[in-house]
Amino acid sequence: DTGVSQDPRHKITKRGQNVTFRCDPISEHNRLYWYRQTLGQGPEFLTYFQNEAQLEKSRLLSDRFSAERPKGSFSTLEIQRTEQGDSAMYLCASSLGSGADTQYFGPGTRLTVL
Amino acid sequence: SQQGEEDPQALSIQEGENATMNCSYKTSINNLQWYRQNSGRGLVHLILIRSNEREKHSGRLRVTLDTSKKSSSLLITASRAADTASYFCATGLKAAGNKLTFGGGTRVLVKP
Repeated sequence: DTGVSQDPRHKITKRGQNVTFRCDPISEHNRLYWYRQTLGQGPEFLTYFQNEAQLEKSRLLSDRFSAERPKGSFSTLEIQRTEQGDSAMYLCASSLGSGADTQYFGPGTRLTVL
Repeated sequence: SQQGEEDPQALSIQEGENATMNCSYKTSINNLQWYRQNSGRGLVHLILIRSNEREKHSGRLRVTLDTSKKSSSLLITASRAADTASYFCATGLKAAGNKLTFGGGTRVLVKP
């Protein structure tokens, strides 16, 4: 257990539905990252926050995706109008920032879109 | 897109043998991190090596970094069945918020 938690661990939804995932980072970590991993591939960066500010979004993050980190604590990732291509493992990671670069990953949320 | 390639893509060894996997990357980095992932689980951080370091050890793990060749290697000595997992290298650049760019991974099977 790295100290980063994600909820839910698994989500099965029908195409067109909206889903929301939550990530709770290690409490003193001010950086929070979201990645997506498809079967047999390495994770790919989606977006990251420094405290409550979203500083970068990947081109992978279409308009259907939105992420928030209110108050610089937990973060949510919402996918609207899900498509079958959204099926993947969504991973959250946190780090202290300020030169402390190790990222600690949560267990992930596995999304299956039917 | 993936930063680079990991070699080999898959590795099968007997318990007690050493396992070596390599990672190549394409752009400038500040650090390179190795992670382990058991099937369907999250990533476990193994070791971080900074761009001004050449070698690092942690228990049975040894990591090297050659920035001139843009490559790194991970050696697991005296492997155990519990080392069976996928291993990923990931590069970070401070100017890019240290977002990690991962390779495709090496799937390691350690047979008892």
